[in-house]
Amino acid sequence: ELKVEQNPLFLSMQEGKNYTIYCNYSTTSDRLYWYRQDPGKSLESLFVLLSNGAVKQEGRLMASLDTKARLSTLHITAAVHDLSATYFCAVDIEDSNYQLIWGAGTKLIIKP
Amino acid sequence: ETGVTQSPTHLIKTRGQQVTLRCSSQSGHNTVSWYQQALGQGPQFIFQYYREEENGRGNFPPRFSGLQFPNYSSELNVNALELDDSALYLCASSLWQTNTEAFFGQGTRLTVV
Repeated sequence: ELKVEQNPLFLSMQEGKNYTIYCNYSTTSDRLYWYRQDPGKSLESLFVLLSNGAVKQEGRLMASLDTKARLSTLHITAAVHDLSATYFCAVDIEDSNYQLIWGAGTKLIIKP
Repeated sequence: ETGVTQSPTHLIKTRGQQVTLRCSSQSGHNTVSWYQQALGQGPQFIFQYYREEENGRGNFPPRFSGLQFPNYSSELNVNALELDDSALYLCASSLWQTNTEAFFGQGTRLTVV
């Protein structure tokens, strides 16, 4: 069974701190996606990681992919309150195109 | 905001009824995927449409069906609604076989009572 596991599922942190969200997956897919979701809202694409060793950064967020370990990380640097949201990782069902298996999400709360 | 629009935004139906949800894909995108997101959970893949045909399906019963039209817009139909069908239904549009990202609509919140 294809699985995508995120941890932690809940994270409360102070502004200015650094932290990492982990995403493990069981497929052989080499494409991994990170999305952000605000309460009651849709999904916003953050990163698309397409190959082993891929690293992408946008502002205080940086994502990386290790396809051999089947692991992706989303690192938050010097967190600010506006980054409070739920973060999801997802991978393609093997040989598919955007037929995604999702993690359960990490609810991130950043306190002032 | 993405160019993907869904309608309606909210809907309340009674158990046993049928519902149709609609999705207009982003300009230039030819593939639409549908997802169900129960409260507090990650999305679950329902099915995908490309060239007006179903191209991949998740673990959902046949009472979940869909269509894609020549303009790439899509419908999700659910028959014999059950209470557990209450969820946020999201559609995502993408361009077939490219490494570009998929964009999601704002979703339809379906409540079955």
